[in-house]
Amino acid sequence: AQSVTQLGSHVSVSEGALVLLRCNYSSSVPPYLFWYVQYPNQGLQLLLKYTSAATLVKGINGFEAEFKKSETSFHLTKPSAHMSDAAEYFCAVSDRGNQFYFGTGTSLTVIP
Amino acid sequence: SQTIHQWPATLVQPVGSPLSLECTVEGTSNPNLYWYRQAAGRGLQLLFYSVGIGQISSEVPQNLSASRPQDRQFILSSKKLLLSDSGFYLCAWTVSGAGYGYTFGSGTRLTVV
Repeated sequence: AQSVTQLGSHVSVSEGALVLLRCNYSSSVPPYLFWYVQYPNQGLQLLLKYTSAATLVKGINGFEAEFKKSETSFHLTKPSAHMSDAAEYFCAVSDRGNQFYFGTGTSLTVIP
Repeated sequence: SQTIHQWPATLVQPVGSPLSLECTVEGTSNPNLYWYRQAAGRGLQLLFYSVGIGQISSEVPQNLSASRPQDRQFILSSKKLLLSDSGFYLCAWTVSGAGYGYTFGSGTRLTVV
């Protein structure tokens, strides 16, 4: 079975500080992993994805994530937070079939 | 390019009234289609998914239903809305078995009063 755990439902960082959003997964097969961002009253937008190529994945808006099989993790990072990064972030895992499994989300607040 | 359309953007409905939300995808064939719901401050709850015309899988038993009358059309319905049906409804599509990821619609904010 597949599942995703996002540690920390709320994360606050100062503008310019490092952003680190944690995601751990459980999968019985080699997974596909995704990070999505959701702004208020909008749909989810794909930030980046891991599909068994390079373990360090770069996405949009300066975000990146590293797939660590030994730690079953796919943490999202950004070196310097911007006010526009304030949003809800979701990690998801796919078993390469028809379903995705989402974490419960992490709300990122950026403090000026 | 592929696009997904979801409407209406907002909806206020009285308890006991019917519901119909529509989602259409353009630029692809035989997509997998999904309906999710987000309650206020909550994560994503998968309601229904479909891998083909007339094929609907329900994840959560409730007073909602879904239909796929055409390849790229997915409809979420209810005969009688409950207060607990309020939330943010999202349609999504993807290609089966690939690392494509979901593409989401812009969502419908449903308030049942």
